[in-house]
Amino acid sequence: DTAVSQTPKYLVTQMGNDKSIKCEQNLGHDTMYWYKQDSKKFLKIMFSYNNKELIINETVPNRFSPKSPDKAHLNLHINSLELGDSAVYFCASRYQGAPYGYTFGSGTRLTVV
Amino acid sequence: KNEVEQSPQNLTAQEGEFITINCSYSVGISALHWLQQHPGGGIVSLFMLSSGKKKHGRLIATINIQEKHSSLHITASHPRDSAVYICAVLRYGGSQGNLIFGKGTKLSVKP
Repeated sequence: DTAVSQTPKYLVTQMGNDKSIKCEQNLGHDTMYWYKQDSKKFLKIMFSYNNKELIINETVPNRFSPKSPDKAHLNLHINSLELGDSAVYFCASRYQGAPYGYTFGSGTRLTVV
Repeated sequence: KNEVEQSPQNLTAQEGEFITINCSYSVGISALHWLQQHPGGGIVSLFMLSSGKKKHGRLIATINIQEKHSSLHITASHPRDSAVYICAVLRYGGSQGNLIFGKGTKLSVKP
């Protein structure tokens, strides 16, 4: 299936732990994104990345870091997890300049206890 | 104030009704997106607009760039249309296609 796939779908972890969420797209898109959806269902950009540039939303704590081993992957690493990090994280991708929209992953629900 | 405002916040309709969801934005944009988020959480891109009107099945999206306003219409609504509809804009000159999202409109269609 062509898609944006995220793993895991659910992640429950304790405060202070370090965790990663993986994202892979097989659509040949050149740009990938991480979005955070808070408890009020509001989506906000965290990062965007293509093979040239990483753009970081300045409000994102530096405990969050994206890692891209290749164009098809953009993983999200989170250090020293805090309760406020609990949210749903969505990966997405698109082809810059194409007249169509984004393809989203199914989301990862992170719960920090 | 959010740069992208949607109305209404919540909408309940009877099956078969014509539905309109509105989106206003305050920044210059290069494109506007309508997204659908189902109760299960997945997000689907419905439309990307930079001018005029697009139609897909029972869904119609329009945009008025001068008025900075877009509408999403659903004709002959059905309970399976129940979802959160999110308007998002791509700011003109914005970095790498970063979207600015509205807070969503929760639509519930009753049989």
